[in-house]
Order: sequence, then structure tokens, then C-alpha cells
Amino acid sequence: GAGVSQSPRYKVAKRGQDVALRCDPISGHVSLFWYQQALGQGPEFLTYFQNEAQLDKSGLPSDRFFAERPEGSVSTLKIQRTQQEDSAVYLCASSFGGVETQYFGPGTRLLVL
Amino acid sequence: QKEVEQDPGPLSVPEGAIVSLNCTYSNSAFQYFMWYRQYSRKGPELLMYTYSSGNKEDGRFTAQVDKSSKYISLFIRDSQPSDSATYLCAMSALKRTPLVFGKGTRLSVIA
Repeated sequence: GAGVSQSPRYKVAKRGQDVALRCDPISGHVSLFWYQQALGQGPEFLTYFQNEAQLDKSGLPSDRFFAERPEGSVSTLKIQRTQQEDSAVYLCASSFGGVETQYFGPGTRLLVL
Repeated sequence: QKEVEQDPGPLSVPEGAIVSLNCTYSNSAFQYFMWYRQYSRKGPELLMYTYSSGNKEDGRFTAQVDKSSKYISLFIRDSQPSDSATYLCAMSALKRTPLVFGKGTRLSVIA
């Protein structure tokens, strides 16, 4: 496909479950970003990869959040022992160069019950 | 105080009106300024990008940046019902750093 894709699009988890969210960036895009968007808010930065290197994870809210991009392409955001406050839309964006080329996926809507 | 402030609205205007959206920011290091449009249950879509101060026009959209006042604006001329969406401002200090977003302004254009 031509754009950033994310799966699943919707996820319902029971409190305490682990979840894994996948992002397929645009082919050839070096940079990959994860953002969290709470209801009625703008996206907030979680973590950033350049190729397979995680260059910035300062936005991850707790050590229950973990992201990887082992081959510099697909990325997975994992949330362990989910809590209700983790309910949000998780957006992935990829970029070939600078910020002006940052393209977003449709997001994964996570609901923790 | 958040780094980027944006009035969440909602803002409702009649079709054909000129819409003015704006954001203020506190970090003087910001140099890259973007406006995104986000439809319900979709990801943000880049509308306009401006580097440093100045104006940029693209069709019905005009983006303005005033770094001295730490204030950015997006104007939409001849607004259409299809412009109804949430508009997010975003900015960053460096070319390859994460974006800092405003809360978004929800716009409804009434036919």
C-alpha cells in the first residue's frame, strides 16, 4: 500500500492484559514515530526510531510501554499489564526526511475495560 | 502551561465564510510549523508546512507564522462542508525531531 498502515484498528483489552500494536511504515521511510492521542486531545509523542535504532523514548509514560523496530521497517508498540488510563488512539507516523514529510497512519483505538 | 496552546472550539461557521484558526507557543526554539487536518476516526493529514516566520498560501489555505509573538495562524477561504474536521497545529525545533501538537480545534462548516 501507499500509506502507513496500522493493525489492529480497534482493540479491546481487559485491565491487566498485554497488547501489541503494529505499524507498517511507508516503504523506504527511515524515521518512525509513535504518538498517543487521548480523546479530545492532540497527539503526544511516545518514541522515535531512525532505522532500527530507538533514538528517543522520552515520551513513553511508564516501563509498561515498550517499542521495537528490529529490522528498521515494521514497528511494534507493546503495552504490558494495561490500565484504563492507557485507553487512547495510538498513532504511528513515518518520514523519509524531515518533519514536513511525516505521514500518519489511521491509528489503533485501544479501549481498556 | 503547555508548550502549545490551541482553543479547542468547537467553531461553527456558514459555508463560504473565512475561517481563522490559531495557536500560541512558548518554546522559542520551534522553527518548523505544521497544520494537520484530522477527520473523525482517521489519522492526521498534513495541510500546510512553514519553516520559520512568514506566510505560505496553498489554494484556499494560508498559513502565517509570527515568531516574535510566538503565534501561528491558518486561514481557510470559501470554507466548504468538507472542511469540517479537527485542525491541529504542530511544531518542532529541529528537522528530525518529534512534533509537539496543540489540542486541536473542531470546525464545523454548515451548508
